[in-house]
Order: sequence, then structure tokens, then C-alpha cells
Amino acid sequence: EDKVVQSPLSLVVHEGDTVTLNCSYEVTNFRSLLWYKQEKKAPTFLFMLTSSGIEKKSGRLSSILDKKELFSILNITATQTGDSAVYLCAVGSGGGADGLTFGKGTHLIIQP
Amino acid sequence: DAGVIQSPRHEVTEMGQEVTLRCKPISGHDYLFWYRQTMMRGLELLIYFNNNVPIDDSGMPEDRFSAKMPNASFSTLKIQPSEPRDSAVYFCASRQDRLKGEQFFGPGTRLTVL
Repeated sequence: EDKVVQSPLSLVVHEGDTVTLNCSYEVTNFRSLLWYKQEKKAPTFLFMLTSSGIEKKSGRLSSILDKKELFSILNITATQTGDSAVYLCAVGSGGGADGLTFGKGTHLIIQP
Repeated sequence: DAGVIQSPRHEVTEMGQEVTLRCKPISGHDYLFWYRQTMMRGLELLIYFNNNVPIDDSGMPEDRFSAKMPNASFSTLKIQPSEPRDSAVYFCASRQDRLKGEQFFGPGTRLTVL
């Protein structure tokens, strides 16, 4: 059974801090790893990673994948209160299974 | 584009009643997914369709759950009869094709079964 584990489960930091969120996975026929941000509504897409070692970047957010060690990190620099959300990691596996397997998420709280 | 559209946004029903959730995917997307989110289990895939054909329904909890996609712009998830443990947020998501792997989620339907 595919498995995605995120850590920490929750994190409280102050505005301006840098945070690193972790995601490890065990899946058969890995195809892609995706990061989503979920506020009090639907998950919104952040990144999709398919290749090891290539950083994806969008503003203050960046992410990288290590397919050898089976993990990914999501970095947020100069955090703002608007970054407060649950960050979800999901893995897509091949073999006909196009659906995503999600981790439980990291609940990030940014204090002013 | 309006994005993925789901209705209703909230549904409160009594145990034993039939519940139908609706989804309109993004136009031109070949894949449609139904997920369920609870505090205990997180986001779980229930079923997905490719070009209106159900591909994998192994996540459907039991026979009380059924899903259909009669055309490219509409899908339903039905629970009959509903039970309190079905209370959750149900998300529909769509994806353009296999190469563009990102899935785009609808706003969800919050279902409460009393």
C-alpha cells in the first residue's frame, strides 16, 4: 500500500522566519510528487516534482525532490501570516493508479 | 475558466437518506477524481474516471457508494443509504491529461449525516 508521511504535523513560527516541511514516501512505480496548500477550502496546487535534484521555485516557496532517499522538502522563506495553512504532500504512482495518495499534512501557523 | 464546480456546498441529512453530490470538471480535462477528507483519515481517493469511464473504484468504502459520469462535463457521487460515519468533506478534482499531472480541486461538499 502506498504511504506518504509528512512532518512535522504542526508548526508555529513567527512572521519572517524560514520553515522547512518534510515529506517521505513509499510507493510502487513513483510518477510524481505534488505539494498543495489548503486553507479553509479546497487544496490549491503549488508544485509538481518528477525529477530528483531540480528545485522548483515560486516566489518565497521552493521545493526539491530526492528520489533516492524518497523524500521531498517544501521551503518557505520570510514567512507571512497569509502562509498559515495546511500543506499537503501527495504522490502519484504509475501502474494505472492515477489518483494521488496524500499525507496527513503539516498545519503551519505564522504568528505576527 | 470557472474551475471545478461542486454542488451542493453543504448538505445535512438524516441517517438512511440518499445523498447525491455533483461535480462539473474543468472543460477539456480528461480525468475526474472523487476524494473524501476527514480529520482522522485525511484526503482519500474514492474513485476516478478517464474520458468518462471509471478506472479505479477501489477506494469506494462499500456498496452504499456509487459514482457515475454520464458525459464529460458532469459526474455524481451517490450514497444510499447514508450513515453518520459518511460525514466528511467530499472533493471533486480534475486533471487535463496524464502528462499534466496536477489535479485541480473543487470547493468541496461538506456532508453531515445526523
